[in-house]
Amino acid sequence: AQSVTQLGSHVSVSEGALVLLRCNYSSSVPPYLFWYVQYPNQGLQLLLKYTTGATLVKGINGFEAEFKKSETSFHLTKPSAHMSDAAEYFCAVTHFYGGATNKLIFGTGTLLAVQP
Amino acid sequence: DAGVTQSPTHLIKTRGQHVTLRCSPISGHKSVSWYQQVLGQGPQFIFQYYEKEERGRGNFPDRFSARQFPNYSSELNVNALLLGDSALYLCASSFASGTYEQYFGPGTRLTVT
Repeated sequence: AQSVTQLGSHVSVSEGALVLLRCNYSSSVPPYLFWYVQYPNQGLQLLLKYTTGATLVKGINGFEAEFKKSETSFHLTKPSAHMSDAAEYFCAVTHFYGGATNKLIFGTGTLLAVQP
Repeated sequence: DAGVTQSPTHLIKTRGQHVTLRCSPISGHKSVSWYQQVLGQGPQFIFQYYEKEERGRGNFPDRFSARQFPNYSSELNVNALLLGDSALYLCASSFASGTYEQYFGPGTRLTVT
């Protein structure tokens, strides 16, 4: 079975500071990993994904994440926070089901607040 | 290009009633998945349909059902509503079943009173 743990349900940073949102996964097969962002009263927007290949993945809005198999982690970072980054962030995992399905398993989310 | 659309945006129902939620995928996408997001939690997988066939089912009771139409749009039906069914219901579309980039709609906020 696969699972995702997001450490810290609430994270607060100052504008211009480093953003670090933590995600650890559990998977008995090679995982595919995702970060989604959800703004208030909206759906989910894909920030970035890791499937295979390069372990450092760059996404939209200046975010990036690094897949570390030895640590079973996929932490999300951004060098400099902007007020518009305030939102809820979800880490998700899936794996290759042979094309049968592509269901995502989500963590419980981290609410990011950006202080001026 | 239009993204994933869902209707209605908001819905209020009474316990025991039935509800139908609708989703139109991105043009060219053939797979639709449904997720339930209870307040304060991450989305939980309910169903996936691809080419009108069920490809996955989450741990939800039989009161939940879905179908996909020839134009790839989808409906999620919930019978005998319970207070605990109050949630944001998200629809996601992808090109095919084995592709992993899923695009989410804005969701339908269901409140059961």
